[in-house]
Amino acid sequence: GAVVSQHPSWVICKSGTSVKIECRSLDFQATTMFWYRQFPKQSLMLMATSNEGSKATYEQGVEKDKFLINHASLTLSTLTVTSAHPEDSSFYICSAPRGGRGSYEQYFGPGTRLTVT
Amino acid sequence: QKEVEQDPGPLSVPEGAIVSLNCTYSNSAFQYFMWYRQYSRKGPELLMYTYSSGNKEDGRFTAQVDKSSKYISLFIRDSQPSDSATYLCAMSGEGMRFGAGTRLTVKP
Repeated sequence: GAVVSQHPSWVICKSGTSVKIECRSLDFQATTMFWYRQFPKQSLMLMATSNEGSKATYEQGVEKDKFLINHASLTLSTLTVTSAHPEDSSFYICSAPRGGRGSYEQYFGPGTRLTVT
Repeated sequence: QKEVEQDPGPLSVPEGAIVSLNCTYSNSAFQYFMWYRQYSRKGPELLMYTYSSGNKEDGRFTAQVDKSSKYISLFIRDSQPSDSATYLCAMSGEGMRFGAGTRLTVKP
């Protein structure tokens, strides 16, 4: 099956620093990727849609200046958490649809656990 | 009202039991209905998907969609301890929305 990777899998950073998380589709091209965050024992919350060649689309309530998204190529999207604070600590997961934006065939990365101290 | 409602559980059953997981939704634009399984600290993996109303079976898993009632179900037959995970329903139309996830524990 299709594979989506994320790097790093776990990161600890100090408050006020920035952290970059990479999401790669390994065996298919994805013009669209999605970024989610998940708090313990809660469901996935869509943060933004990353679009190759254009600006990302953010969900209501998500600060675009804090969560910078760059869809650098057809296989890579990055999420940068700028000026991180302890409340940004969460599990960040990306997904990529094979077959286009509205495809049901979503493949998820393994997630990145961010801890801000 | 949330677009997708799912009882978070937790749900605990003995090995071999039939498990029924359910979601309701409010958005008529949803066309694809998916079930994902998520193990602790891992990304979700697609279990099954269905398009429109009806049933779909894959081994021990059966997905059921009733669009008239806006209700979907996932049945797991002969449940195994390895089925212990969080099960998320998801629906796709203009965008994808997830249920809260139901934590399932299958006890040996």
